[in-house]
Amino acid sequence: DVKVTQSSRYLVKRTGEKVFLECVQDMDHENMFWYRQDPGLGLRLIYFSYDVKMKEKGDIPEGYSVSREKKERFSLILESASTNQTSMYLCASSLPVTGDQPQHFGDGTRLSIL
Amino acid sequence: DQQVKQNSPSLSVQEGRISILNCDYTNSMFDYFLWYKKYPAEGPTFLISISSIKDKNEDGRFTVFLNKSAKHLSLHIVPSQPGDSAVYFCAASSGYALNFGKGTSLLVTP
Repeated sequence: DVKVTQSSRYLVKRTGEKVFLECVQDMDHENMFWYRQDPGLGLRLIYFSYDVKMKEKGDIPEGYSVSREKKERFSLILESASTNQTSMYLCASSLPVTGDQPQHFGDGTRLSIL
Repeated sequence: DQQVKQNSPSLSVQEGRISILNCDYTNSMFDYFLWYKKYPAEGPTFLISISSIKDKNEDGRFTVFLNKSAKHLSLHIVPSQPGDSAVYFCAASSGYALNFGKGTSLLVTP
């Protein structure tokens, strides 16, 4: 079974802090993704990566950056956290581009910015 | 602009009956459609998918129907069980990423 592990289930940070969310997958997947989930808005893609050191902006990249130095690890960085970044963050991984390869999700990190 | 729409935020169904969850999309370039199920405090889990060249895919109690001319798909759950109570997300693929709908919260009552 694919395992996608997010380092924290719950995180509380202050505005202006630099925040790191870590995600590790154990299935040697090429693709990794970061989403945020907000009530009434569904899942929105922040960034994705299709290979080590490669990244692409998703629908809402503003205020975020990512790092993929190793194939199994994909980090989301909030450069200067703001209260509107309070959300549930979900990491996912998948095999390379074929539409029917499902993305496998971690259990999420609920981030609160005070 | 929302390319995948789930217009019903919630649905309540009695145990044993059929649950029908609907999804509309606007982009004719989508080549795969997927349904995910999400319980509170867990990540979404993949349920079933369908290629744009098919009109039906079945897996046990779950069947997805695709109507390309109407740009509409639906998920049928028969028979519905209390454990099916969750949020269901429709998603569409065109390349690397998935476009998700806002989700429909299904409640199956005993």
